[in-house]
Amino acid sequence: GAVVSQHPSRVICKSGTSVKIECRSLDFQATTMFWYRQFPKQSLMLMATSNEGSKATYEQGVEKDKFLINHASLTLSTLTVTSAHPEDSSFYICSARKDGGSTTGDTQYFGPGTRLTVL
Amino acid sequence: AQKITQTQPGMFVQEKEAVTLDCTYDTSDPSYGLFWYKQPSSGEMIFLIYQGSYDQQNATEGRYSLNFQKARKSANLVISASQLGDSAMYFCAMNTGFQKLVFGTGTRLLVSP
Repeated sequence: GAVVSQHPSRVICKSGTSVKIECRSLDFQATTMFWYRQFPKQSLMLMATSNEGSKATYEQGVEKDKFLINHASLTLSTLTVTSAHPEDSSFYICSARKDGGSTTGDTQYFGPGTRLTVL
Repeated sequence: AQKITQTQPGMFVQEKEAVTLDCTYDTSDPSYGLFWYKQPSSGEMIFLIYQGSYDQQNATEGRYSLNFQKARKSANLVISASQLGDSAMYFCAMNTGFQKLVFGTGTRLLVSP
């Protein structure tokens, strides 16, 4: 199997607080994980690529100081939204890449997502 | 640069019928992977099927098959015998090497009884 969990599934917080989202690969190791953001009725927007033991690579326009990513082990990556504001409200979804060779093409398996609402 | 195009914002199909969701791609890299994901209203992205650029045969996974036409740069998803539970957003995606996935804009499929 290839199961990815994400916690919490839903969070509501006050403006100015920080929120941490965890992404875990449950039955495989993932040297690389990805964090996406999805606005309503839109496609996924890649925010950053998280590599175990090294700094994350952020996409253009994504503030690295606002969206802190830590990939401390081969099964866990965290995204911390610092000093959250209402405009950060969104659906955040992570994925973990499973090395699979020719049959699965290093498929990314996704977590169930986290819906963040900042009041 | 890689690009995925899904030209059907919405598709309707009756239960038990087959449906084809279109996807075209653009890349100059000879080695790439093509993926389809399903996103139900719950939000999670469910991996459906993968096709490698060097694969000779079209990929199949149960009721899902990928109609891979390399010369046309198309990777259409065919769902046979549609079920009510197939109603969801469907995203086509591509990667090259170990690079990030590039997604299309998605197609919303509605299966009616």
